[in-house]
Amino acid sequence: EPEVTQTPSHQVTQMGQEVILRCVPISNHLYFYWYRQILGQKVEFLVSFYNNEISEKSEIFDDQFSVERPDGSNFTLKIRSTKLEDSAMYFCASSESGGWQGNTGELFFGEGSRLTVL
Amino acid sequence: GQQVMQIPQYQHVQEGEDFTTYCNSSTTLSNIQWYKQRPGGHPVFLIQLVKSGEVKKQKRLTFQFGEAKKNSSLHITATQTTDVGTYFCAGEDGGYNKLIFGAGTRLAVHP
Repeated sequence: EPEVTQTPSHQVTQMGQEVILRCVPISNHLYFYWYRQILGQKVEFLVSFYNNEISEKSEIFDDQFSVERPDGSNFTLKIRSTKLEDSAMYFCASSESGGWQGNTGELFFGEGSRLTVL
Repeated sequence: GQQVMQIPQYQHVQEGEDFTTYCNSSTTLSNIQWYKQRPGGHPVFLIQLVKSGEVKKQKRLTFQFGEAKKNSSLHITATQTTDVGTYFCAGEDGGYNKLIFGAGTRLAVHP
């Protein structure tokens, strides 16, 4: 069964360092997402991406964050200068459908990348 | 901005008892989805509701979407230990690929 894969599964970094989290969405999906979940808390929307552009982003997704699809398979989230409060599980997701008027279909989530900022 | 609220935060039940979690949105939703996250796992899609007043069933799970498309519920009949996890609703209000999750209801089932 197709799945979303994420690397690394766990990353420990020092405050102020740059981090890149990588995702390989399901191959025929066109819509990509990053969510984060601080331990035991809600799943927070960060950004959605389609056709090499950001579709929507949340207030959390400030200038410290960026996303990129550097090739035909990878989708990355970069945090330029990590802060302690960036410690969380970061989930990548993809969907087959999406678009205007809120018709995002089923999201397929990866296993997540746990980021620990010291 | 769009907010999706979910109650209760936690629910402890004895195996065989029923369980319900409720979801409310501050805005009218175009659709609502439900996900289950097992401890240590990632969210897994359960269902999507689109129509006003829609009711869908999956075995012991019953999902409802309110007439005004601002609230939803998930009801589990006769819970089993395999139902343990956190249940999230997630809604869209017409934004462009922006699915907002509720805070989740953590279900514990005691055998």
